[in-house]
Amino acid sequence: DGGITQSPKYLFRKEGQNVTLSCEQNLNHDAMYWYRQDPGQGLRLIYYSQIVNDFQKGDIAEGYSVSREKKESFPLTVTSAQKNPTAFYLCASSIRTGLDSPLHFGNGTRLTVT
Amino acid sequence: GENVEQHPSTLSVQEGDSAVIKCTYSDSASNYFPWYKQELGKRPQLIIDIRSNVGEKKDQRIAVTLNKTAKHFSLHITETQPEDSAVYFCAARATGGYNKLIFGAGTRLAVHP
Repeated sequence: DGGITQSPKYLFRKEGQNVTLSCEQNLNHDAMYWYRQDPGQGLRLIYYSQIVNDFQKGDIAEGYSVSREKKESFPLTVTSAQKNPTAFYLCASSIRTGLDSPLHFGNGTRLTVT
Repeated sequence: GENVEQHPSTLSVQEGDSAVIKCTYSDSASNYFPWYKQELGKRPQLIIDIRSNVGEKKDQRIAVTLNKTAKHFSLHITETQPEDSAVYFCAARATGGYNKLIFGAGTRLAVHP
């Protein structure tokens, strides 16, 4: 069954700790994305990657970091520098960037920082 | 940069009625406009999309219209059913050579039996 897998579904961390959210896809897609979803604000782009070993900042990259060492994987680290980390995080992929290819989303990770 | 506004934020209809959700965008060069549906606790899924060279597209009970001059596009759902209840997001692709989508804030649609 092809798709995008995000883990864990729920994540709890103490303030000041870094945390890494996992995103794996077996769709053979080149492009991967991280979005943050907050109530009433839609989806906001954190980072995206068009190809392995390359990634670019989105609109709200401050306090986040990513890596793209493998085509299948695009982990997101929420650092202690992120002022409001509690949110729902969605990973997505598309066949390629630069085309009107649909985004395929994972089921998301709900992060709670206290 | 691109900005997308979506209205209304909530919409309540009776089963069988029609529902219309409207979005406006700021970048006149935007050329791709998808709509995503997110059911409670689930991932967003593409339900329909339209490109700027087309004015209207229909898929069964769902249709999208695009007015490039006014820079707005709308989702129309006819004969609504309870399973249409979800949050709907519009999006516009920003110019810049890659698939960057700017999303609206979402519309929570409730269809009452």
